[in-house]
Amino acid sequence: KNEVEQSPQNLTAQEGEFITINCSYSVGISALHWLQQHPGGGIVSLFMLSSGKKKHGRLIATINIQEKHSSLHITASHPRDSAVYICAVRALDSNYQLIWGAGTKLIIKP
Amino acid sequence: GAVVSQHPSRVICKSGTSVKIECRSLDFQATTMFWYRQFPKQSLMLMATSNEGSKATYEQGVEKDKFLINHASLTLSTLTVTSAHPEDSSFYICSASWTILQETQYFGPGTRLLVL
Repeated sequence: KNEVEQSPQNLTAQEGEFITINCSYSVGISALHWLQQHPGGGIVSLFMLSSGKKKHGRLIATINIQEKHSSLHITASHPRDSAVYICAVRALDSNYQLIWGAGTKLIIKP
Repeated sequence: GAVVSQHPSRVICKSGTSVKIECRSLDFQATTMFWYRQFPKQSLMLMATSNEGSKATYEQGVEKDKFLINHASLTLSTLTVTSAHPEDSSFYICSASWTILQETQYFGPGTRLLVL
């Protein structure tokens, strides 16, 4: 079993829909990252969380440390949100390394 | 937010040649830089961690003589793929943190390497 599990693996939705991507992990962590990777490969760091909730524009990220779970939400989704969304955690004993989820491929249709 | 750049963004080279990829932190001093590799449709794989002024720490299975990492200054780290082979074709991404205690990593845009 992977230490970081993302669901769903693939998600196709219509423009305007509310999107939720989930990340569950099995190790103790000091931080969790949400990243966005576009088809060209470039990676953009969206959020870094250690507790609670963060919001940036139409993106919301939440984390529940007790349940070892985080969610990334996109409100009023748009085709330009189409990308792979990756969850990565820094385990407490990881020497600053990140453990990566497999990613969720999101396609927003106009 | 902090900005990390990589150069080149894309490179095509012949088998047997060496390729250098630069990773720069543009508006902060990066004490620690990380180099990742990503194969098609796979997640990122950490190759090595480098701290300014010291030797890089390589992950198991990564050949240190093939992937030379230099972190000579607080704003620049380089990854040199020596004697490149087609199987080295991949997407290489760096990230940087400004102190060893700081958890935030800022990611570069990546470099796509194609070895013919």
